[in-house]
Formats: sequence, structure tokens, C-alpha cells
Amino acid sequence: DADVTQTPRNRITKTGKRIMLECSQTKGHDRMYWYRQDPGLGLRLIYYSFDVKDINKGEISDGYSVSRQAQAKFSLSLESAIPNQTALYFCATKWRETQYFGPGTRLLVL
Amino acid sequence: AQSVTQLGSHVSVSEGALVLLRCNYSSSVPPYLFWYVQYPNQGLQLLLKYTTGATLVKGINGFEAEFKKSETSFHLTKPSAHMSDAAEYFCAVTSSGGTSYGKLTFGQGTILTVHP
Repeated sequence: DADVTQTPRNRITKTGKRIMLECSQTKGHDRMYWYRQDPGLGLRLIYYSFDVKDINKGEISDGYSVSRQAQAKFSLSLESAIPNQTALYFCATKWRETQYFGPGTRLLVL
Repeated sequence: AQSVTQLGSHVSVSEGALVLLRCNYSSSVPPYLFWYVQYPNQGLQLLLKYTTGATLVKGINGFEAEFKKSETSFHLTKPSAHMSDAAEYFCAVTSSGGTSYGKLTFGQGTILTVHP
């Protein structure tokens, strides 16, 4: 069974729509992260959370918001999607120095 | 501040040949270094990591990497490429500092192609 799961795995939406990407983990880790991956740019940090009450912006948080509903759940929302948010989104957990990634959500904004 | 540069966005080798993927980093504090692999339509899988101790680290699938502080490098190697090694590889760095929030800075990625 996967330790970090993401839903949906693929999503197509239209400009202006609100969408939510969900991440769940069974690893029991406090720290969770959201990244986006764009070709040739590697992964860039959107938001991170140390625990349910501690949420912080990453390097590219504009246009995104997050919610940490429980230790195991960390959701990413696009309040009003735009085409340049088309990307592959990854959730990760962290234990000590190592981050563990989910399978990703491929998002297309038309 | 920290950064990672992967030299070569695409590397092509023949099956059985040496694989060498280059990674240079910059960090103001002692770094922790990682290599991740991403197979098509999959997430990132940890290949290996360097934190402290031995500078030559071995990972899964026959890969290894050597931390060279003087060269600020952490190149990934495998003596003999296999077709199943075809994937995209990411080098990443994080700070070993106690106040770090665990920011992991990634390189741009290197796509490895293995020819029969």
C-alpha cells in the first residue's frame, strides 16, 4: 500500500474554476509539502506545514491556498484556476532529513 | 541560500555503458544531498542520500554517488546501464541546519535514455 496518496491523479478544469487536490499519508509524519513540477524547472515549493496549526508559504504560493485538516491530510486549492497552473503537483512528507513523495496529480487548466 | 545545477538536461547511453549524471550544489551550510528518480507517470523515488559520514553512498538499483565538498559536487554513477534505468533523475539539496524548515531545492532534472 502506498504511504502517500494523492487524488485525483489526473484533472482537467477550465479557467476560473476552483479545484482541490488532496493528499493523505499513513506514515505518521508531521511535516508535509506541496510542490509543482514544470518541464525543465524541477520541483518548486508551494506550501509546507509542520503540523495542523503551522502552515507556511513556499516560493510560489500566489494563486494557491492549503488546508491541513489533520496530521494525515494536506489539501491544495486553486481558488480560480489559470492556464499557467497547468503542471504536475506533488505532495510529500518529511521524516528527519528525507522527503517522501506521492504519485502526483497531473492538472490541465484550459 | 542553496541551489542545484544538473549539467545536461538529457543524457543518452548504450545498455551496459557507464552512467554519469552530474550535479553541483551551492549551500551556505553543510548540505544534505539527495538523488531522486522519476519513472514515466510515477512519483519521485529516493535513490540515495548523503547526510554525514562516508562520502561515497550507495543506493538502490546499483547507483552510487560521491560527495565532494571541495568540488561542491554530488555526481550519480552506475557502472552498467540497464534499459530499466531510463527515467528522469533529480538532484536535490537541503540544509543540515537545525532551524531549516526542510526546504528541498531541486535541480532541473536529467532525462536518461538507454539505447539497446
